[in-house]
Amino acid sequence: DGGITQSPKYLFRKEGQNVTLSCEQNLNHDAMYWYRQDPGQGLRLIYYSQIVNDFQKGDIAEGYSVSREKKESFPLTVTSAQKNPTAFYLCASSGSSYNEQFFGPGTRLTVL
Amino acid sequence: GQQVMQIPQYQHVQEGEDFTTYCNSSTTLSNIQWYKQRPGGHPVFLIQLVKSGEVKKQKRLTFQFGEAKKNSSLHITATQTTDVGTYFCAGRAKGKYIFGTGTRLKVLA
Repeated sequence: DGGITQSPKYLFRKEGQNVTLSCEQNLNHDAMYWYRQDPGQGLRLIYYSQIVNDFQKGDIAEGYSVSREKKESFPLTVTSAQKNPTAFYLCASSGSSYNEQFFGPGTRLTVL
Repeated sequence: GQQVMQIPQYQHVQEGEDFTTYCNSSTTLSNIQWYKQRPGGHPVFLIQLVKSGEVKKQKRLTFQFGEAKKNSSLHITATQTTDVGTYFCAGRAKGKYIFGTGTRLKVLA
């Protein structure tokens, strides 16, 4: 069953703690993306990676970090420096930066 | 910075009425994509437009890319309750996609 998975679906953390969100794809896609979605708003790009061992900052990268050590994995760490981390986080992948993006089911992070 | 605006933000229609959402970019786009997100779900790709003035149809959905490649529209004919959701455009410029703010469609039976 091919696709893109994110875990967990819901995540609760205390303020000041770092947390890592998982994103895995078995579509053999080169490009992967992380977006943040706040209630009633569009998707804002946090980080993206067009190839293994390379990634670029998106529009709202401050307080986040990523790694791309394997083609199929693109984890996102929400650090304590992120001032407003509570949001819905979506991971996506595409065959190339020109192609359609396939989204995972998302992780809803709540920081208490 | 580059912005992609969508209007309207919300739209309530009676089942059977038509619906249109408009997407406007501050810069010229190389291509534009449209996605649909059902309530509680994740965005799902609908279509990609690349050429200036391009028009594509998918059953009751008609997508258009402006001549200047700075705007786009999605028109749904005779809406159904299954059309409920938020429709996003995503314009590509300078190597990355910028998503519009989305139009949330509610269809009243």
